[in-house]
Amino acid sequence: QQPVQSPQAVILREGEDAVINCSSSKALYSVHWYRQKHGEAPVFLMILLKGGEQMRHEKISASFNEKKQQSSLYLTASQLSYSGTYFCGTAPDKAAGNKLTFGGGTRVLVKP
Amino acid sequence: ETGVTQTPRHLVMGMTNKKSLKCEQHLGHNAMYWYKQSAKKPLELMFVYNFKEQTENNSVPSRFSPECPNSSHLFLHLHTLQPEDSALYLCASSQYQGQNGGYTFGSGTRLTVV
Repeated sequence: QQPVQSPQAVILREGEDAVINCSSSKALYSVHWYRQKHGEAPVFLMILLKGGEQMRHEKISASFNEKKQQSSLYLTASQLSYSGTYFCGTAPDKAAGNKLTFGGGTRVLVKP
Repeated sequence: ETGVTQTPRHLVMGMTNKKSLKCEQHLGHNAMYWYKQSAKKPLELMFVYNFKEQTENNSVPSRFSPECPNSSHLFLHLHTLQPEDSALYLCASSQYQGQNGGYTFGSGTRLTVV
């Protein structure tokens, strides 16, 4: 069952912050985050594992709340290059670790 | 380039045609995947190959036939497709149960079925 991402879209001014959530109805083992720019391949940002630490990619960080079955992606002091669609991909257990189910994506537009 | 190369980038085919999509990676990964990306839909997992063995067929119609001759190459053979199969087909690779890294995606093949 696919995870649910929210919000579906967000518009930011350069320098502003935003949070994107990825929620699952099932227990999660791992959560991946990817960013896809228009006409390009999705690019891996980070992976969060059950029991693991909060991760970071430049000024983008993410957390994983196992009890809530949710991961949050934090865009801090956003830059124009952060524009794109962000996807979370989830795996329910270690055995399924490389079979990701993706959310519907969150479109982010950062304006000057 | 991402390290995963897909060809062709664009493909237009009739419903009675047979064509193949090709994916190649030289990242030393041992798992490869086909995903379908349609407008307004999430990425849909189609097939997974771990160490050249197919480990997942996500209820994909038989008109899509994957082939993985070695851990660096992956093909998707297409025949008698339907217009609703028009989409972006993405190939990806990773380490099997990649705990420290994620997928590397190719740029995709934009398929249009007419």
